[in-house]
Amino acid sequence: QQPVQSPQAVILREGEDAVINCSSSKALYSVHWYRQKHGEAPVFLMILLKGGEQKGHDKISASFNEKKQQSSLYLTASQLSYSGTYFCGTEIAHDMRFGAGTRLTVKP
Amino acid sequence: GAVVSQHPSRVICKSGTSVKIECRSLDFQATTMFWYRQFPKQSLMLMATSNEGSKATYEQGVEKDKFLINHASLTLSTLTVTSAHPEDSSFYICSARTQGGVHYGYTFGSGTRLTVV
Repeated sequence: QQPVQSPQAVILREGEDAVINCSSSKALYSVHWYRQKHGEAPVFLMILLKGGEQKGHDKISASFNEKKQQSSLYLTASQLSYSGTYFCGTEIAHDMRFGAGTRLTVKP
Repeated sequence: GAVVSQHPSRVICKSGTSVKIECRSLDFQATTMFWYRQFPKQSLMLMATSNEGSKATYEQGVEKDKFLINHASLTLSTLTVTSAHPEDSSFYICSARTQGGVHYGYTFGSGTRLTVV
């Protein structure tokens, strides 16, 4: 029941873009995106509730294709502070399950 | 913003002893809290859903007698790891749905790193 994330890891240079994908085999109520720094708890980035919904703040945005049961997280003009592990979370029957995570490393 | 306080942040215990982890919602009421376990470089695995005033719901494969969950009030949930063994060493994190509507996601506690020696 866990969503599937890809890629597993990404290495970028500062200023480059990245896309992280999340898909589910089950119909989704919502998709959440979180970022976790090493040794810390995950921090909420955004939630998408409706099919086709797109959200964004700063240079991080996400889309949700309800029909395909997929979501994508877009990081543009990446900064060093974007480094961390990104998790998508999907709500099925009111509990949250997370993908395996995508480890993003931004280098100067 | 909503804050979930988790204590202790780190604990080392001897094999066979029990450890209690507390999770408090500081400025909102959480009728439901979630407990996750995370092994190094792995994802967060849902262990159980803690419901205020009723029994917790455990995920398949999680021993309810080993991981005791109590949600005695609207702001406090506790996880007790009983008769801990080295394989229970992990990062345990609680979370609660942030009040204010569905647009605010979940707030996580700062996590507890448990080491059983």
